[in-house]
Amino acid sequence: DGGITQSPKYLFRKEGQNVTLSCEQNLNHDAMYWYRQDPGQGLRLIYYSQIVNDFQKGDIAEGYSVSREKKESFPLTVTSAQKNPTAFYLCASSFLLARGGYTFGSGTRLTVV
Amino acid sequence: SQQGEEDPQALSIQEGENATMNCSYKTSINNLQWYRQNSGRGLVHLILIRSNEREKHSGRLRVTLDTSKKSSSLLITASRAADTASYFCATDAGNTPLVFGKGTRLSVIA
Repeated sequence: DGGITQSPKYLFRKEGQNVTLSCEQNLNHDAMYWYRQDPGQGLRLIYYSQIVNDFQKGDIAEGYSVSREKKESFPLTVTSAQKNPTAFYLCASSFLLARGGYTFGSGTRLTVV
Repeated sequence: SQQGEEDPQALSIQEGENATMNCSYKTSINNLQWYRQNSGRGLVHLILIRSNEREKHSGRLRVTLDTSKKSSSLLITASRAADTASYFCATDAGNTPLVFGKGTRLSVIA
């Protein structure tokens, strides 16, 4: 079945530690996105990518990094520079940049311990 | 920059009643989309309405779009307990990713 897979479902990070969230899709979508969701604040865009080896910053890119070495994969690294990383992270993909509906993964909940 | 703002923030209704959620936005758009999110899960695309459309139906969903007022509404008819979720509008304003609102939390009581 085609879909988008995020892993892990839950992730715990110690202070000063970098962690990487995985996002893989087999939908042959061109574009992929990372959103952060905090309670009561909706979804905020972190990074997005339209093609392999290219990506753009979103509204809250500071403290995060991404790569797009393969069409199917768009991992997100939460660095130690991100001071408040506890949140629900959602990855999505689509065929065209914002022209059609997005397919979302089931999310990764990151908690700082 | 959050474009869409849903209203109300929370809505509680009895099963069988209709639920109406509204979305307002600030700039011109190419299309507007509605998504549903069950607690702790990813978003699911429900319906897309283009800027030259005024109304669209999909099953028990009815979406309207008024570009002059920069607003949209989502109507869920004959609601069921399974419709309990958060609903988000998202706007496509050009060659940029979708911008999501903060959502409406719908509770349908059996």
